[in-house]
Amino acid sequence: AQRVTQPEKLLSVFKGAPVELKCNYSYSGSPELFWYVQYSRQRLQLLLRHISRESIKGFTADLNKGETSFHLKKPFAQEEDSAMYYCALKMGGGNKLTFGTGTQLKVEL
Amino acid sequence: ETGVTQSPTHLIKTRGQQVTLRCSSQSGHNTVSWYQQALGQGPQFIFQYYREEENGRGNFPPRFSGLQFPNYSSELNVNALELDDSALYLCASSLRAGMAANYGYTFGSGTRLTVV
Repeated sequence: AQRVTQPEKLLSVFKGAPVELKCNYSYSGSPELFWYVQYSRQRLQLLLRHISRESIKGFTADLNKGETSFHLKKPFAQEEDSAMYYCALKMGGGNKLTFGTGTQLKVEL
Repeated sequence: ETGVTQSPTHLIKTRGQQVTLRCSSQSGHNTVSWYQQALGQGPQFIFQYYREEENGRGNFPPRFSGLQFPNYSSELNVNALELDDSALYLCASSLRAGMAANYGYTFGSGTRLTVV
């Protein structure tokens, strides 16, 4: 069965420091990976998708099929990046997302 | 353009009771998915509805059922409530069933269900 692992429940970094939120997945087919973010008192929302290879709010994520990883990175953390981040996997052709347990990012001044 | 709205926001039920949660999808979205998010966990897929029919289901028992209406709004019904059903229930709408996850869901704020 497909699974998404986010090993860190909480990640604290200082403002201006690099950020890497880890995500590993297990799925034997062609996966589609996503990062969702939930800011305080806001709804869960899509941050970025691996298929679009985009950079959103300075965040990027590269799908590494060899390591089955989709880590989220940002070179310089900002205070407004503090939020809960969820990695999610969609099986090719499927219609559901499998979420990880999330990582709470705290950016300290 | 309106977003996804869910009602009620909070609900307390007794074990064994039945509950109905409601969701109005974002304007123009014809697909609705329901997720259960237990405390400290990521959302888990319950099922999806497209054109008023169930279009995929997660590992949830039959006492979890749903409906989608012609205006694309949806209901989630849970019978014979158990304590473990206590969770945040999220509704998410999207443009097309087959492409639902590709372009990102629009999530509602959720209904917090507590079973006592």
